[in-house]
Amino acid sequence: AQTVTQSQPEMSVQEAETVTLSCTYDTSESDYYLFWYKQPPSRQMILVIRQEAYKQQNATENRFSVNFQKAAKSFSLKISDSQLGDAAMYFCAYRTPERLIQGAQKLVFGQGTRLTINP
Amino acid sequence: SQTIHQWPATLVQPVGSPLSLECTVEGTSNPNLYWYRQAAGRGLQLLFYSVGIGQISSEVPQNLSASRPQDRQFILSSKKLLLSDSGFYLCAWSVYSEAFFGQGTRLTVV
Repeated sequence: AQTVTQSQPEMSVQEAETVTLSCTYDTSESDYYLFWYKQPPSRQMILVIRQEAYKQQNATENRFSVNFQKAAKSFSLKISDSQLGDAAMYFCAYRTPERLIQGAQKLVFGQGTRLTINP
Repeated sequence: SQTIHQWPATLVQPVGSPLSLECTVEGTSNPNLYWYRQAAGRGLQLLFYSVGIGQISSEVPQNLSASRPQDRQFILSSKKLLLSDSGFYLCAWSVYSEAFFGQGTRLTVV
């Protein structure tokens, strides 16, 4: 079964600095999706960025970018120019590419990294 | 645009009482629907998923059940709640790639 590991339970960064959150995953598939979700104190899950495994180019969304290392099964999130509003739990997620018996494609989540922004 | 509604936002129930959490999606057809549970400070555990009306798959044997009576309606139920059922429950939908989540329900079993 696919697993997602976030080895950093907590991270902190000074406002305006850059921080990188780590994620590794385990799969035998060659085609899949990877995501980073943000969960602020409201607990609403917000999609930050997604990466398609067949694309070599790293995804970027404004201040958020990823370092996707397919061979190493690593998918880190870099937040540049950190802002106070970036404080949240960040979850890495993997989407199973195969069609299961009933056809659903599941999202498997890591345990999360709590990011604190210091003013 | 697509929206997802989940209710109630907060629920306090005694042990042994029944449970019904409802989730509806608007603006899309035939979505995959999911129920996740999140313990405090932890990741998301997939409980159930559905690819169509009446089609439910369970990921974890437990005290809960799910139903999909309509294409865009997903219900999480229990006949008798346990203390261990406390947590934050999230409904989600997807069609192609990423999942979109509801606001969540904080359930406290006392």
